[in-house]
Amino acid sequence: DAKTTQPTSMDCAEGRAANLPCNHSTISGNEYVYWYRQIHSQGPQYIIHGLKNNETNEMASLIITEDRKSSTLILPHATLRDTAVYYCIVRFPYSGGGADGLTFGKGTHLIIQP
Amino acid sequence: DGGITQSPKYLFRKEGQNVTLSCEQNLNHDAMYWYRQDPGQGLRLIYYSQIVNDFQKGDIAEGYSVSREKKESFPLTVTSAQKNPTAFYLCASSDSLNTEAFFGQGTRLTVV
Repeated sequence: DAKTTQPTSMDCAEGRAANLPCNHSTISGNEYVYWYRQIHSQGPQYIIHGLKNNETNEMASLIITEDRKSSTLILPHATLRDTAVYYCIVRFPYSGGGADGLTFGKGTHLIIQP
Repeated sequence: DGGITQSPKYLFRKEGQNVTLSCEQNLNHDAMYWYRQDPGQGLRLIYYSQIVNDFQKGDIAEGYSVSREKKESFPLTVTSAQKNPTAFYLCASSDSLNTEAFFGQGTRLTVV
């Protein structure tokens, strides 16, 4: 079973900030939160990841709550090209053996409206 | 350019035939993964490999087989035992299980 819960779909107006929530209430202390997105019929693309601090890169910002049970991916100025399925994933760091594969849930279909 | 390459992009096979999907990476990554995606669904993990000559079953390994004889290559064989092989197959790699994964562009397999 996926370790995360995301809304099935969301709409956002072009030019606005898109805020995508993710619940991961069973996350353990050393599991990271990763975000990927998949544009139709293409391979998923890495966006950002974090452990406990908020993170920002050229694509997005990641806000992780203090208890780490939920997070929000923020696309600050959404464009039509940001329409995609967004996946939130939690995973352990590499431990030299016995680690899990990278497991995806169903994600959130974000639709940017013109 | 460095990257991960899947071939072919589209593949058609007759029912009952085995078929092998290619995945090659020149990123010097240790870990590689195979996923299956059905229409409107998320990705489901088939197999993954942490290092050469080692691989682990994912959530839906039945009817599939893999090999990891070289670091850069992780071919997936869809056998005749796979009851519903028609799907979009994605390969990925990462330099350890802690870092971002890079995905290929996928192979769309249709079995008729």
